[in-house]
Amino acid sequence: SQTIHQWPATLVQPVGSPLSLECTVEGTSNPNLYWYRQAAGRGLQLLFYSVGIGQISSEVPQNLSASRPQDRQFILSSKKLLLSDSGFYLCAWRVYGASRHTDTQYFGPGTRLTVL
Amino acid sequence: KNQVEQSPQSLIILEGKNCTLQCNYTVSPFSNLRWYKQDTGRGPVSLTIMTFSENTKSNGRYTATLDADTKQSSLHITASQLSDSASYICVVFPVPGGSYIPTFGRGTSLIVHP
Repeated sequence: SQTIHQWPATLVQPVGSPLSLECTVEGTSNPNLYWYRQAAGRGLQLLFYSVGIGQISSEVPQNLSASRPQDRQFILSSKKLLLSDSGFYLCAWRVYGASRHTDTQYFGPGTRLTVL
Repeated sequence: KNQVEQSPQSLIILEGKNCTLQCNYTVSPFSNLRWYKQDTGRGPVSLTIMTFSENTKSNGRYTATLDADTKQSSLHITASQLSDSASYICVVFPVPGGSYIPTFGRGTSLIVHP
């Protein structure tokens, strides 16, 4: 079966410290992968997406970067965290439906990041 | 610019009552529209899906409608339960191809009181 994992579930980091969040997908190959951030009371903001190994597209300029070292692994990083990086980070992957018009995205459980 | 607007922003109802959440979108063309339920601190989970050619879809106590002419969708919850307390997000998916980036609404926060 297809599943998506994220860790850690929660993280508290000081300003200026590095960050590494990991997302892995099981039961599928060559998935399209996405990183979103959800600030309190706000909608989901797309940060990065990847259509294959080593292929990363950034949607908004920011303090974060992403990498895809393996087919089913997507990593979100930062060299120095800012207070504004606090939020709920969600990884998602594109799931192909019975027809092309029913394709969708499934989300991981999320990581709650608090920067102090 | 593609947009998805949801209303109300928040809603409080008593257990057992019905409610309707609204979604207006400007995405065109699109392949499908989904309503997701997001419990606090969890990832969103899909409730319903409607392709551009469908106008209603039910999933238990959840019924979604779609009017492609007015670009509106609604999610009706019948006989609400305490476990329905969550954020409900309307998401419009583009036609297949490319990066396949959907457009998200900001969600409606529903609180069901006993």
